[in-house]
Parts: sequence; structure tokens; C-alpha cells
Amino acid sequence: GENVEQHPSTLSVQEGDSAVIKCTYSDSASNYFPWYKQELGKRPQLIIDIRSNVGEKKDQRIAVTLNKTAKHFSLHITETQPEDSAVYFCAASGVGTSYDKVIFGPGTSLSVIP
Amino acid sequence: ETGVTQSPTHLIKTRGQQVTLRCSSQSGHNTVSWYQQALGQGPQFIFQYYREEENGRGNFPPRFSGLQFPNYSSELNVNALELDDSALYLCASSRDGLLAHTDTQYFGPGTRLTVL
Repeated sequence: GENVEQHPSTLSVQEGDSAVIKCTYSDSASNYFPWYKQELGKRPQLIIDIRSNVGEKKDQRIAVTLNKTAKHFSLHITETQPEDSAVYFCAASGVGTSYDKVIFGPGTSLSVIP
Repeated sequence: ETGVTQSPTHLIKTRGQQVTLRCSSQSGHNTVSWYQQALGQGPQFIFQYYREEENGRGNFPPRFSGLQFPNYSSELNVNALELDDSALYLCASSRDGLLAHTDTQYFGPGTRLTVL
């Protein structure tokens, strides 16, 4: 079945350093890849997304890259700040069906040390 | 914050009971998806409703059922509750489940269900 893997499961960086989270997906028909940030006790919030017709997208300190051939995509956060500390989820849409089934990865807990 | 709301915020039930959770979609959104998020895990897709009909389902048993109303608000019903049903239940709304496979989903704050 469809599956999204995510690494690492935990990540600790010094404030100001970069953080990279990597995901792979199994369904080659997927063409939408959102990233969500979830702070403790709060809802997942979309931080950036990418569609399969582009290889890279950037929004201020956050960027996402997509390699469709290899079926993997990555989140890059530069100049990390303590408020970036949260759990980050990658996801891939279940395209090929008629509905917006989104398969989530297991999450990466990011800690930014001041 | 998104315009998606959920009620109640927290709920405690005992095994065997039934529960109904509610979701109000963001204005202009006609599609709602429900997810179960166990502690320390990513959200797991339960099902999706589009214009009042179930439009897709994940690997959840039939005791998980739902409804979507003409105003696009939605309910998740769970019968015969089990201990493993304890989780955060999230709904997410999007614009059009059939014409925009890759439309952005906006999550509600969730309902924390505890089954004792």
C-alpha cells in the first residue's frame, strides 16, 4: 500500500544552524507534497507544499525539494530559531484516486537549542 | 488560524460506548477529511466526505462512520469504543475533493478522545 517514510525521527540543532528532514514515498502517482508543523497540543499547520511540476520551492527560511525519479522530497530550514521547535510531518497525496487522501510520514521532532 | 472548528475539545468515554465528534469546515470548502492521530504518530486517514457522500476510506473498520451536512459541517461517529481508539481526531477541509486532487487541506484543532 501507499507509504511515506521520514527521517530522522528526532533532530536537534543549534540556533542559527540549518535543519534538513527527508521523506520518501511509494506511490509514483503522487503529485502533491505538503509539509505540516505541529506544536505540542495544537493542530498541524501547513508550512509549505510542492507539486510535482516543480523541483524546488522556497518561502523565506523554508525550502522544499522534490526528486520524482527517486521518489523523495526534503524540507530545509535555514537560520533556525527556537520557535521552529515542533514536530514536522511530510505527506504525499494519494493521486490516482478521486479523493484527497493524504498519507503522512511518522514525523520528525525538531529541537532548536538557543 | 484556519476557519475549521471542532467540538468537543476533550472527551472521555468507556469501552463499548459510542461517540460523535463534530467539525465545521472553512468557508467555501465542500470537502472534509477525518484523521486519527495516536500519540507520537502522524495522522492516519479515516475517510473523506464530498458533497455529503463518502468519497474515500482508509483502513478503519465500519464502526467508524461519518456524515456531512448540506452546510458542509461533518460528524465522525465511532461505535463500540475500544481502548486503542484513544487519540486526537482531526478534521481537515479543502475546496473540492473531486476536481482538485491536490488541494490544500486545513486542519481543525482536534478532539482529544480518551477511552477508559
